[in-house]
Amino acid sequence: AQSVTQLDSQVPVFEEAPVELRCNYSSSVSVYLFWYVQYPNQGLQLLLKYLSGSTLVESINGFEAEFNKSQTSFHLRKPSVHISDTAEYFCAVSSNTGNQFYFGTGTSLTVIP
Amino acid sequence: NAGVTQTPKFRILKIGQSMTLQCTQDMNHNYMYWYRQDPGMGLKLIYYSVGAGITDKGEVPNGYNVSRSTTEDFPLRLELAAPSQTSVYFCASSSGGLAGETQYFGPGTRLLVL
Repeated sequence: AQSVTQLDSQVPVFEEAPVELRCNYSSSVSVYLFWYVQYPNQGLQLLLKYLSGSTLVESINGFEAEFNKSQTSFHLRKPSVHISDTAEYFCAVSSNTGNQFYFGTGTSLTVIP
Repeated sequence: NAGVTQTPKFRILKIGQSMTLQCTQDMNHNYMYWYRQDPGMGLKLIYYSVGAGITDKGEVPNGYNVSRSTTEDFPLRLELAAPSQTSVYFCASSSGGLAGETQYFGPGTRLLVL
């Protein structure tokens, strides 16, 4: 079985400052890793995902995440945040074989003007 | 192309009542899922379906039932509502299974059981 830990439940950050949202996972098998974003009163949307290949993956709106197998982490970063980035961010993991999918408890990112 | 739609958006139930949460997708996806989202708990998988006529339990199936008679629809049934079922329910779909595929989520149904 897999599990996901998001170490920070709330992250306030000033506009144009950098941010890192932390995610660690545990699994005895190879995994796929995801970041989903949930804007207020909406469903979740995929932000980016790691399946294989380059350990650094990027989204179209400036976020990036790096798969670190030795540290079992998949932290999400952005060098300069905008007000519009205020949302809930969920890290998730699935095995590369099974039909199970586990979400972390979420990190609420608040960008302060 | 509406994606994944859910009805109703909000519902209040009394303990012991029953209801069906509707979910429809127009992307011809084989896989569909139901999640519940509780504050501070992330999303938990209730049931999923790999195609019409095939369903299976997720992490928290107790108190719920599903059916999948068509590719498009995946309703979730609550037979005897309990306060513990107060939550936000999300339906999702994907073209392949959970291993690596992007899931597309509906806007959610907020359920309050009193």
